[in-house]
Amino acid sequence: TQLLEQSPQFLSIQEGENLTVYCNSSSVFSSLQWYRQEPGEGPVLLVTVVTGGEVKKLKRLTFQFGDARKDSSLHITAAQPGDTGLYLCAGVGGSGYALNFGKGTSLLVTP
Amino acid sequence: GAGVSQTPSNKVTEKGKYVELRCDPISGHTALYWYRQSLGQGPEFLIYFQGTGAADDSGLPNDRFFAVRPEGSVSTLKIQRTERGDSAVYLCASSLQGAINTGELFFGEGSRLTVL
Repeated sequence: TQLLEQSPQFLSIQEGENLTVYCNSSSVFSSLQWYRQEPGEGPVLLVTVVTGGEVKKLKRLTFQFGDARKDSSLHITAAQPGDTGLYLCAGVGGSGYALNFGKGTSLLVTP
Repeated sequence: GAGVSQTPSNKVTEKGKYVELRCDPISGHTALYWYRQSLGQGPEFLIYFQGTGAADDSGLPNDRFFAVRPEGSVSTLKIQRTERGDSAVYLCASSLQGAINTGELFFGEGSRLTVL
């Protein structure tokens, strides 16, 4: 099992602030995915990154895949209360079967 | 509905009892996953089906846990002799493509299991 470590574990910020959360591993991944989960619901896919060094933007969210394909980051610009949730990274390793998740970053954005 | 459906949404049982959790995936999705999520943690992989067969069951914690998908659609996760440590939300997800192609996983809302 490829271990994915996410940091910070918790983050509480005010509306309008910027933030970055990280997903790191000692293993190489063929791809990484980011999901967002709200209480009582299942995770919902935000993005998949495949190529080392890749940068993808989704409105105010910017995702980056490390050059060595071992890490990824998610940057949110001008956070809004609707961004509140658990942000999870997930990777498919060498076996190509199990999609393994990190423990997540719990984000709270207050007005 | 069009999404992944899981039943029951909540299950309370006593230690030692047998439990079945059901997952009805999105029609046409060949890949199906079971995960377990404890409070404040990310989903923990349990088992992955491609069609009717379990392609990867390396995440099942012990032989009390078993899952089937006999017709390649609905799946049932079975837990024997439940223990208090089995209490968690059990998530099911389906995908049009298998993990090799990293298709998007569509999750159900989960079945919350509480073992007293």
